Amino acid sequence: NAGVMQNPRHLVRRRGQEARLRCSPMKGHSHVYWYRQLPEEGLKFMVYLQKENIIDESGMPKERFSAEFPKEGPSILRIQQVVRGDSAAYFCASSPQGTSGNTIYFGEGSWLTVV
Amino acid sequence: GENVEQHPSTLSVQEGDSAVIKCTYSDSASNYFPWYKQELGKRPQLIIDIRSNVGEKKDQRIAVTLNKTAKHFSLHITETQPEDSAVYFCAAPAGGGGADGLTFGKGTHLIIQP
Repeated sequence: NAGVMQNPRHLVRRRGQEARLRCSPMKGHSHVYWYRQLPEEGLKFMVYLQKENIIDESGMPKERFSAEFPKEGPSILRIQQVVRGDSAAYFCASSPQGTSGNTIYFGEGSWLTVV
Repeated sequence: GENVEQHPSTLSVQEGDSAVIKCTYSDSASNYFPWYKQELGKRPQLIIDIRSNVGEKKDQRIAVTLNKTAKHFSLHITETQPEDSAVYFCAAPAGGGGADGLTFGKGTHLIIQP
């Protein structure tokens, strides 16, 4: 039973380029969460999605960031026109249902470096 | 939404001693409290969790206690070992009893001194 799969693990982008991070949830999980972790800091909630629906995007910056979880395929976090401040680890997590009493499991993370 | 406070930010203990990390939460509707351990460069991994219908849960050297009245919960690690060195995060449901993600504390960097 494969865990949460994220790719790429490491991504380097120049300022102004686009970054696309992908996440495949655990088998049987239909809820996906994206978190950002800056160096030496905690986990900041960005967005919560179910298939074809964004449930809560209150933690996501209003500009340049978007997320989707299509009917087929992985969830994608997209960052347009990246800036140095976007450099961080981006963790995806999944759960079989919402977090009211349910565990969420994290992927290995995608480390974005903006140069 | 939920607000989770975690203390201390850094904790250094001698190998073999006990370590205690404390968290408080704001929403009385919250009903699920997990703890995650994150080693450097790795993903957060669930180590123990507790639901609001119990006051304590143990798993070998790790235990978690919950005080619903005071809205705080604690992680206890006994007989600490070098491999316990990591950052530990507590969490609570972001929407209290709702289903919209977890809010995490800022983390505790646990250092086990040999």
